[in-house]
This record gives sequence, C-alpha cells and structure tokens, in this order.
Amino acid sequence: DVKVTQSSRYLVKRTGEKVFLECVQDMDHENMFWYRQDPGLGLRLIYFSYDVKMKEKGDIPEGYSVSREKKERFSLILESASTNQTSMYLCASGFSTGRNTEAFFGQGTRLTVV
Amino acid sequence: AQKVTQAQTEISVVEKEDVTLDCVYETRDTTYYLFWYKQPPSGELVFLIRRNSFDEQNEISGRYSWNFQKSTSSFNFTITASQVVDSAVYFCALSENSNYQLIWGAGTKLIIKP
Repeated sequence: DVKVTQSSRYLVKRTGEKVFLECVQDMDHENMFWYRQDPGLGLRLIYFSYDVKMKEKGDIPEGYSVSREKKERFSLILESASTNQTSMYLCASGFSTGRNTEAFFGQGTRLTVV
Repeated sequence: AQKVTQAQTEISVVEKEDVTLDCVYETRDTTYYLFWYKQPPSGELVFLIRRNSFDEQNEISGRYSWNFQKSTSSFNFTITASQVVDSAVYFCALSENSNYQLIWGAGTKLIIKP
C-alpha cells in the first residue's frame, strides 16, 4: 500500500513562529503536493514539486515556501505563521507518468496559529 | 470560475437508504479525467475512482456506482444501501489534459444515521 506520512496530526503555534510541516512518501512518486483545506473552500493547492529541488506555485503560495531535497520528502514552511493560516494541511503524492494519475494523501495536519 | 460544482453541501439519510452525490464540471478540454475521493473523520482522503472523458460507461463497485454523462457534464456518485461507515466528506475533482492540477469541488458532507 502507498504510504504518505505527515509528521504531525495536530500542531499549535504562535503568531510569528516559523513552522515546518513534513511529509514523507514511500512509493518513489515523482510528484508531491501541499494543499490546505478550509470549510466550504475544498482543497486549494499551495505548492507542488515534480522532482527533487523542483517546485511550482499553486493557487495560494503567499506566506508559504517548500523544500524538496530528497525524492521522498516534501516540506511546507510557514515563514512567519499568522492566524489566517490556521487550517488543515494535506500532503499528497503521485506518479508523473500520465499527468492525470490519482494522488495519494497523508492523514493531514491540523494547524492552529494563536 | 469554479470548474467543479458539488451543489449539495450536506446530505443526511437513514442507514440503508440510497443516496446520490452530484458533481457537475466545466472544461473546454476534450480529454480530461474525473475523480471521486472520500474523506472520513480521520482526515485522510481516500481515492475511490478515476474516469477519463472517453469512457462513459457507468462503473459499479459493490455498493458504489458512478454515472458519467458528458451531455450534462456530470459525474454523479450513488451509494446503495448506505451504511454508517459511509459517513464522510466526498470530493469530486477534475484534471484537464492541459493542466496537471486537480481542480476540486467544495465537497459534500454525507451523514448516515443509524
């Protein structure tokens, strides 16, 4: 079974803190994604990566950065956390062969910024 | 403009009833893919089905069935003889051949009462 693991299920951080969300996949997928999920808004893509050290902005990259130093790991960084970044964060991975393959998701990290 | 519309925000039925979740999409591509995902209370999105635009055959998997109709740009999902374990948020998503990103609907929260 594909396994996508996010480092934390729940996080509480203070405004202004630098926050790291980690995601690891074990299926040698080329593509990895970070989404945030908010009620009524569905899933919105923050960043994605199609290869090591490669990244592209999604729909809402402002306030976030990412790092992909190894194929299996994709990190989301909140440089200076703000209360409007309180949300559920979902990591996903998938193969690049055929753009339209399904994505596999981690269990999510519920981040609260106080 | 929203490209995937799940008009039903929340549906509540009694166990053993049949229930249909609607998904209407919009695209100019002739080649595209449609997906359904399930998000149980645990938070992890689970892939259910992928259907490409050239395959309009209905799909059945146990109690789940999907009705793809290009004429109405719809990809509806029916659960027959619903069970409490079907309670979840269900997302419909679109992937266009011209764009690798998944475009998500806002989700439908399904509540199955015992």
